[in-house]
Amino acid sequence: EAQVTQNPRYLITVTGKKLTVTCSQNMNHEYMSWYRQDPGLGLRQIYYSMNVEVTDKGDVPEGYKVSRKEKRNFPLILESPSPNQTSLYFCASSPSRGDPNQPQHFGDGTRLSIL
Amino acid sequence: GDSVTQMEGPVTLSEEAFLTINCTYTATGYPSLFWYVQYPGEGLQLLLKATKADDKGSNKGFEATYRKETTSFHLEKGSVQVSDSAVYFCALSRKYNNAGNMLTFGGGTRLMVKP
Repeated sequence: EAQVTQNPRYLITVTGKKLTVTCSQNMNHEYMSWYRQDPGLGLRQIYYSMNVEVTDKGDVPEGYKVSRKEKRNFPLILESPSPNQTSLYFCASSPSRGDPNQPQHFGDGTRLSIL
Repeated sequence: GDSVTQMEGPVTLSEEAFLTINCTYTATGYPSLFWYVQYPGEGLQLLLKATKADDKGSNKGFEATYRKETTSFHLEKGSVQVSDSAVYFCALSRKYNNAGNMLTFGGGTRLMVKP
């Protein structure tokens, strides 16, 4: 089954404790992206990757890091989490990096609470 | 920059009522337009899309027409069901220099359908 898999689904942690949210897709997609969802703001893009070893900032990259060492994986790293990063996070992928007509496929989300 | 504006929710309807969720956008060029749906506890799923002016996207009884003259992409359904209760996101996508198909989302509209 074609899917985008995120882990963990839920995490409660404390300020300053490094964490990683994993994302994996099995569709051989080139383009992958991370979003955060906050009430009334919709989804805002954090980082994206157009291919292996190619990543770039989205609209709200501060406090986050990503890597793309393999095509299927795109982990989101919070080196020193803070309470304002409490949010619902989504990973997404799409087949083509340059085609705006291609819809994105989303994971089921990761709810992070930073105390 | 690009932006998408949706009517604020929640929208509460009785089963079999007519649904309209308004969406307007601001973008340069000719974006592609999407409606995504998010059911409780799940990620976003593509509901429908339209890639050029006057196109009508449709799926599961939902419809939306790309109106360039009014920069709108309103979502409609003639008879809603309880199972349509979800959050609906309007989004646009266009090609950016070296940025692939980045999505810009509206704030989301929660629909609640009562039996």
